Amino acid sequence: EVQLLESGGGLVQPGGSLRLSCAASGFTFSNYAMSWVRQAPGKGLEWVSAIRGRGGSTNYADSVKGRFTISRDNSKNTVYLQMNSLRAEDTAIYYCAKVSSDFWDPFDSWGQGALVTVSS
Amino acid sequence: DIQMTQSPSTLSASVGDRVTITCRASQSISSWLAWYQQKPGKAPKLLIYKASSLESGVPSRFSGSGSGTEFTLTITSLQPDDFATYYCLQYNSYSTFGQGTKVEIK
Repeated sequence: EVQLLESGGGLVQPGGSLRLSCAASGFTFSNYAMSWVRQAPGKGLEWVSAIRGRGGSTNYADSVKGRFTISRDNSKNTVYLQMNSLRAEDTAIYYCAKVSSDFWDPFDSWGQGALVTVSS
Repeated sequence: DIQMTQSPSTLSASVGDRVTITCRASQSISSWLAWYQQKPGKAPKLLIYKASSLESGVPSRFSGSGSGTEFTLTITSLQPDDFATYYCLQYNSYSTFGQGTKVEIK
């Protein structure tokens, strides 16, 4: 059974940084792209970033480009999202999602989400 | 960027009703469209991929159709467990979600 467990969420001041982690199990982690998707309180879903299975190739939504960095450690079955220069509008639940195959495929498994609150 | 427009934003229906949700893409996405169901406080769940392929374990009352720019999700005979918010996702170029359709009890 696929399991994705996010950690690292919390309260941070505007301009601050936070790193989310997502520990994966139940599948061959390095074979799949991974993504982060967020959902602001009471709002819809927004794709944030993706990284290929073997690492290297990454992509970002325009709203986070230059501020967020996605990475992965296949030896630890973990994907990360480093978030810098955080803004109030980055407040959201951040979901880690397994991509069904390569970069641009649907997300077939999701974590429970990590809440990030950006506020002074 | 590809924009996805879902309609309606809210839908009131009764158990047993047939429900249809529409998603329109701002440009052709072939059949690279998925549908998700999300319940309050929970992560989204994949229902349909490649416009009309049913994800394993999803009840057959859910179906998807369309290609190019127009897509529909149909729920035949709505069940109590189906009251939720539904999102479409295009994955032809990057990933873009529709704004969601809340299916509520009439």
